[in-house]
Amino acid sequence: KAGVTQTPRYLIKTRGQQVTLSCSPISGHRSVSWYQQTPGQGLQFLFEYFSETQRNKGNFPGRFSGRQFSNSRSEMNVSTLELGDSALYLCASSRRPTSGGSLDEQFFGPGTRLTVL
Amino acid sequence: DQQVKQNSPSLSVQEGRISILNCDYTNSMFDYFLWYKKYPAEGPTFLISISSIKDKNEDGRFTVFLNKSAKHLSLHIVPSQPGDSAVYFCAASAGGGTSYGKLTFGQGTILTVHP
Repeated sequence: KAGVTQTPRYLIKTRGQQVTLSCSPISGHRSVSWYQQTPGQGLQFLFEYFSETQRNKGNFPGRFSGRQFSNSRSEMNVSTLELGDSALYLCASSRRPTSGGSLDEQFFGPGTRLTVL
Repeated sequence: DQQVKQNSPSLSVQEGRISILNCDYTNSMFDYFLWYKKYPAEGPTFLISISSIKDKNEDGRFTVFLNKSAKHLSLHIVPSQPGDSAVYFCAASAGGGTSYGKLTFGQGTILTVHP
């Protein structure tokens, strides 16, 4: 079956602009998580959605937001872009949220490379 | 505050030998640990995981060991193959039904396996 798809794959924006990234999970997966990867900070959790509800949020400013649609597709939005927002944004999907010692495997997409000039 | 640490940025191993990648964590609430492999221009790929109720999990050439008292886990790859060359990430989850898909990742270790 098809894997996690992310669009666009590459994006160049300028400071102050806003950007929307899209993620389509694997068919049947209802949980979508977003991560930011930078050389300095590594992979950092942004947020997770399940059944259109945000279940968890990482330590990122309010400029970072997201949502999930009824078909489980998810978008994340970054407003008022800063140079430090340049990163690889990864989306991961799983069948369901984790529960008590059992973790459903997360499948990652290839990421969207965002460059802020 | 880096709750999951991979102190070795890189590791170089000869083909056929054992690769040992290490990971330390500080948050005692973590109860599930995973290893991911990442090639350039691709997303991380799940390798193997271990629950905190176990101290060892094996899957083919990959074995993960967990030492809870030391808050340390390691990934052993035996025998190492050139195709194993990639960045390896250690990740942890404080599950318990509340943290869902929130993974805390280490900084990664670049493994190079020489033919």
